[in-house]
Amino acid sequence: QVHLVQSGAEVKKPGASVKVSCRTSGYTFTSYGISWVRQAPGQGLEWMGWISTPNGKTDYAQKFQGRVTMTTDTSTRTAYMELRSLRSDDTAMYYCARDAVIMAAIPRDSWGQGTMVTVSS
Amino acid sequence: EIVMTQSPATQSVSPGERAILSCRASQSVSSNLAWYQQKPGQAPRLLIYAASTRAPGIPARFSGSGSGTEFTLTISSLQSEDVARYYCQQYHNWPGTFGQGTRVEIK
Repeated sequence: QVHLVQSGAEVKKPGASVKVSCRTSGYTFTSYGISWVRQAPGQGLEWMGWISTPNGKTDYAQKFQGRVTMTTDTSTRTAYMELRSLRSDDTAMYYCARDAVIMAAIPRDSWGQGTMVTVSS
Repeated sequence: EIVMTQSPATQSVSPGERAILSCRASQSVSSNLAWYQQKPGQAPRLLIYAASTRAPGIPARFSGSGSGTEFTLTISSLQSEDVARYYCQQYHNWPGTFGQGTRVEIK
């Protein structure tokens, strides 16, 4: 069974960075990519970016270019998302989701449970 | 970018009655359309892909239809556990775009 398990909630001050992890199991890690999607309180789903697990190729939404870095560790089957220069409007639930290994949109059939990131002074 | 528009914003349905949710794409996405269910406090869950194929484990009361730019998700007999927000997503163009969601509540 496919599982994506994310790290716990974070509280950060404005200007700080946060790094969220997504540990996977139940499938061949390098056969799929990982997308990160966030959801501000009471709002919809916003795609942040994607990483291809076999080669580390990334594609970031323009909104997050320069502030986000996505990486993977194939030895632990874990994906990471780091967001820098946090602002109050980055307060949101952050999800990882299994995606295609190449830049070809597919249904995202498995999701992590979410990591709440709160940015507050 | 393909814009996905869902309607209505909120649908109130009596238990056992039918709920019909709509999703419109700003350009044709063929049948590359998925529906997700997000219950309060939970992650999204894939319900339907390829416009009309139920994902594994999804009850038969959920059905999808449509192609091109107009799509529908039907819950044939609403149960209390179906209270959730439902999102459509096109995956015709990278990286795929979501609608803003329709909230389904019990009347």
